[in-house]
Amino acid sequence: DQQVKQNSPSLSVQEGRISILNCDYTNSMFDYFLWYKKYPAEGPTFLISISSIKDKNEDGRFTVFLNKSAKHLSLHIVPSQPGDSAVYFCAAHSIRLTQGGSEKLVFGKGTKLTVNP
Amino acid sequence: GAVVSQHPSRVICKSGTSVKIECRSLDFQATTMFWYRQFPKQSLMLMATSNEGSKATYEQGVEKDKFLINHASLTLSTLTVTSAHPEDSSFYICSARQTRGTEAFFGQGTRLTVV
Repeated sequence: DQQVKQNSPSLSVQEGRISILNCDYTNSMFDYFLWYKKYPAEGPTFLISISSIKDKNEDGRFTVFLNKSAKHLSLHIVPSQPGDSAVYFCAAHSIRLTQGGSEKLVFGKGTKLTVNP
Repeated sequence: GAVVSQHPSRVICKSGTSVKIECRSLDFQATTMFWYRQFPKQSLMLMATSNEGSKATYEQGVEKDKFLINHASLTLSTLTVTSAHPEDSSFYICSARQTRGTEAFFGQGTRLTVV
């Protein structure tokens, strides 16, 4: 059961243009969402997060938008730079209602972004 | 961001032996740690969530007796792959989080190869 979906396996944009990475989710119990950037054979690096009670969060060139009614979030990178080329993962956090209320942090399959000079 | 150190980065072991992977938060106290496994060209699959001083919560399909997780202190969690088999070969990644509502920081990952 894929609770977090990134339907585009890859995206290619020109340097200086906007990159828009999309993510859909199915579990309405997720309470916050995160975006990570990952290079091969390394652990993911945190980029930006958003609480489920907000609809936008901005940090420099990165902005995340959340549409709860559509269960959709997106990461905007503007302007895109060649160094942004990596795999981007969308992640969602929830508290388990059973099992002592422990947490889950689940990931989408990732979108490989290539920014061309 | 905060630093999470995972060790070793690479390990090759013989089939039937056990391997321990350590995950340390270096500059914060990690009340929660997550362990993931990543297959080639696939997403990070959550294996288990551990809280300091309590038993880990495993995802469905993950064998508790095979993947032993210990979170004995606020800065250290370990994953032990017991009686490893070639199909356990994978990239294992830990992440650590200080408090709820904050981001989780990841270790560098461990490439396990069982021969």
